[in-house]
Amino acid sequence: GQNIDQPTEMTATEGAIVQINCTYQTSGFNGLFWYQQHAGEAPTFLSYNVLDGLEEKGRFSSFLSRSKGYSYLLLKELQMKDSASYLCAVVDSNYQLIWGAGTKLIIKP
Amino acid sequence: TAGITQAPTSQILAAGRSMTLRCTQDMRHNAMYWYRQDLGLGLRLIHYSNTAGTTGKGEVPDGYSVSRANTDDFPLTLASAVPSQTSVYFCASSDSAGSTDTQYFGPGTRLTVL
Repeated sequence: GQNIDQPTEMTATEGAIVQINCTYQTSGFNGLFWYQQHAGEAPTFLSYNVLDGLEEKGRFSSFLSRSKGYSYLLLKELQMKDSASYLCAVVDSNYQLIWGAGTKLIIKP
Repeated sequence: TAGITQAPTSQILAAGRSMTLRCTQDMRHNAMYWYRQDLGLGLRLIHYSNTAGTTGKGEVPDGYSVSRANTDDFPLTLASAVPSQTSVYFCASSDSAGSTDTQYFGPGTRLTVL
């Protein structure tokens, strides 16, 4: 079966750094997405990785290791507005998105 | 541009009643999708459409039907609602199907079936 694992919830302090992990086991791999979803709102695109390594985009970076079936999202200089759920999704061999349940990130002052 | 709009924003529906959730996009995307999101679970694909005139079944299609008469609209119909269909429903679109194109989501419809 196909499986995406993320921690259910994480807590971090404003101004700090947090790393949200995602491990996956899917039938094929054509890339991995990270989305941000604020409570009561739609998911919005953050990043897409298909090659191994780290991609940096402002305060957010995303890392992929295809051999380990592992990705992480790194958020730096945390702000209160970063309180949200972060969804990991893998594109499988049929080009369908397989979604993790999401990680709820709570930022404390 | 508006992107993707969904209506209604929320609805309470009696079990056994039918309902259509509306979804319209103005990005001229070929592919559209319907997901449901339940607490503790990832987004689950209900139905999808690769292009106008075609539809396909996703992971959880039972109890739902869709149509794609044109590029912009992709309504989702519940023929006879049951309480297990209580969920938040998201419509999404992407430039093309069978690709790694980013999916863009509408604001969602929160449906409660009693």
